[in-house]
Amino acid sequence: EVQLVESGGGLVQPGRSLRLSCAASGFTFGDYAMHWVRQAPGEGLEWVSGISWNSGSIGYADSVKGRFTISRDNAKNSLYLQMNSLKPEDTAFYYCAKDFASTWENNYFDPWGQGTLVTVSS
Amino acid sequence: QSVLTQPPSASGTPGQRVTISCSGRRSNLGNNYVYWFQQLPGTAPKLLIYRNNQRPSGVPDRFSGSKPGTSASLAISGLRSEDEGDYYCAAWDDSLSWVFGGGTKLTVL
Repeated sequence: EVQLVESGGGLVQPGRSLRLSCAASGFTFGDYAMHWVRQAPGEGLEWVSGISWNSGSIGYADSVKGRFTISRDNAKNSLYLQMNSLKPEDTAFYYCAKDFASTWENNYFDPWGQGTLVTVSS
Repeated sequence: QSVLTQPPSASGTPGQRVTISCSGRRSNLGNNYVYWFQQLPGTAPKLLIYRNNQRPSGVPDRFSGSKPGTSASLAISGLRSEDEGDYYCAAWDDSLSWVFGGGTKLTVL
């Protein structure tokens, strides 16, 4: 069974940094692209970033471009999201999700982890 | 403001058929597949429909999808109380990003 477990969320001040992790199991992690999707409390879903199986192709939403960095370590079955220069509007649950294929563009993603909450506030 | 447009709410009584719409533009729904996700209260989103009208294994055939042009719809027949939750449409956009609808809150009366 595919399992995705996010960690690293918490309360952080505006302008500071945070690194999220997603531990994957139940599938050959290195064969699949991965994504981060976020959801502000009580709000809708927003795609944040995607990364291909070998990190050769990466994409970001305009809202996080230049501040967030997605990465992966296939040897550790782990996905990461480095978030810098955090803003209050970055407050959200952050979900990692497995793609259907090896590239993050134009396939689809499922399943999702349970999410980790990031709160950006002074 | 979400790129794809969904009605904020929908409702029906048990056994009824309910449809949820999703509208976009050529760069997303016009050129690419639509996907539907179900988010039950307190849980993570789950894929309900992929590639316009395909159901993952385990999803009941009460759920169906269609996509004529730059709009799409999700139909739920034989409505059940456990269907109550939020439903999101999503699509790849040719601007190289994924876009979502704002979500539709389904209430079973």
